[in-house]
Amino acid sequence: DAGITQSPRHKVTETGTPVTLRCHQTENHRYMYWYRQDPGHGLRLIHYSYGVKDTDKGEVSDGYSVSRSKTEDFLLTLESATSSQTSVYFCAISESTGGRRTDTQYFGPGTRLTVL
Amino acid sequence: GESVGLHLPTLSVQEGDNSIINCAYSNSASDYFIWYKQESGKGPQFIIDIRSNMDKRQGQRVTVLLNKTVKHLSLQIAATQPGDSAVYFCAESIYGNNRLAFGKGNQVVVIP
Repeated sequence: DAGITQSPRHKVTETGTPVTLRCHQTENHRYMYWYRQDPGHGLRLIHYSYGVKDTDKGEVSDGYSVSRSKTEDFLLTLESATSSQTSVYFCAISESTGGRRTDTQYFGPGTRLTVL
Repeated sequence: GESVGLHLPTLSVQEGDNSIINCAYSNSASDYFIWYKQESGKGPQFIIDIRSNMDKRQGQRVTVLLNKTVKHLSLQIAATQPGDSAVYFCAESIYGNNRLAFGKGNQVVVIP
């Protein structure tokens, strides 16, 4: 998985509780991404980061926040989890130097989150 | 575990035959395309990519073809093996800033 780990790998939580998922990379890549994957949908971008402390929203960012205080770590937080956030969450990294060129994204193993 | 292959188009292939998986992309301005393979319970795995200045690229047992005229991308897998059973999906760069848009995928089932 290209030097990417995600923790936890599985989590069950209750509606209304805060949840933080962690993505850790050992590749020193500049870009990091959080996606969710649900049956019947392609991967959908939640948030992404293009450097330390530099983040931006994706297409399904409502209810999620992120932080990146170090190159290697990208955290995804659900401030108050809802059942609609039950999903499989994937982190991805990309080496791109930015600008108009898009480069390959490599994915972590995923976190399966269930919100009861 | 939960299947991301629910309700996906399915291609059943005899072991040893060649597989062709198709993808129609949405934006004529997209200049970079990737094919991923996803096995049940795992993260997407990079297979091969192609930029818009090419129309064909080959890897080990895989070939990607790009037809910009009709906005079509295909992945050919030679001599399909049981380990090729997975969901395959394409991705295109349409937003800039190193972001990708992903297709929903195709389920490939290899029959021994």
